[in-house]
Amino acid sequence: LAKTTQPISMDSYEGQEVNITCSHNNIATNDYITWYQQFPSQGPRFIIQGYKTKVTNEVASLFIPADRKSSTLSLPRVSLSDTAVYYCLVGEGETGGSYIPTFGRGTSLIVHP
Amino acid sequence: GAGVSQSPRYKVTKRGQDVALRCDPISGHVSLYWYRQALGQGPEFLTYFNYEAQQDKSGLPNDRFSAERPEGSISTLTIQRTEQRDSAMYRCASSSYDSGDGSRTDTQYFGPGTRLTVL
Repeated sequence: LAKTTQPISMDSYEGQEVNITCSHNNIATNDYITWYQQFPSQGPRFIIQGYKTKVTNEVASLFIPADRKSSTLSLPRVSLSDTAVYYCLVGEGETGGSYIPTFGRGTSLIVHP
Repeated sequence: GAGVSQSPRYKVTKRGQDVALRCDPISGHVSLYWYRQALGQGPEFLTYFNYEAQQDKSGLPNDRFSAERPEGSISTLTIQRTEQRDSAMYRCASSSYDSGDGSRTDTQYFGPGTRLTVL
């Protein structure tokens, strides 16, 4: 099974850049890496997705090294509203085969004033 | 457009009763997933469908759990003879599977969940 490993928790302060790294040693060739954000009492919400190198959108950046065995979610200048749990998701399975999304345990990010 | 909806939002039942949880995915989404999430934990995969076909049900805890999506749209997760350990948040997600380049680009859109409490 493709498993992910993330830090359980992180603390930061408003205005700082936060980097959360996820390890996924068994990632399959055709798998994408997807990060989700979850606030209390809500379902996970898509943040960013990538396959290799770097991806950037209006919310975050995702850095993926050449071996794809890890990925780093970067949140620039966090605010209090970024306090949430962040999940790294790596699909398991082959193209056309069974796809079992495996969420990591998540990283609980707390942003302090 | 409307997002993923689930009903009921809250369900309280007595041990031994059957419950049916409904998921209405985003219109046109091919894939539909069911998860169970315990407090403080990440979503735990239960099963998923592509159109009406159940692709994988390896995450269903036991044979009291079943799911269907007969017309490739709305799905129902049924739990028979509920037990207290079944109490959890049950979440549904849908996605538009895109394999244009041979890779998976599933972006899942989650519903609000159904909070199940078994007394």
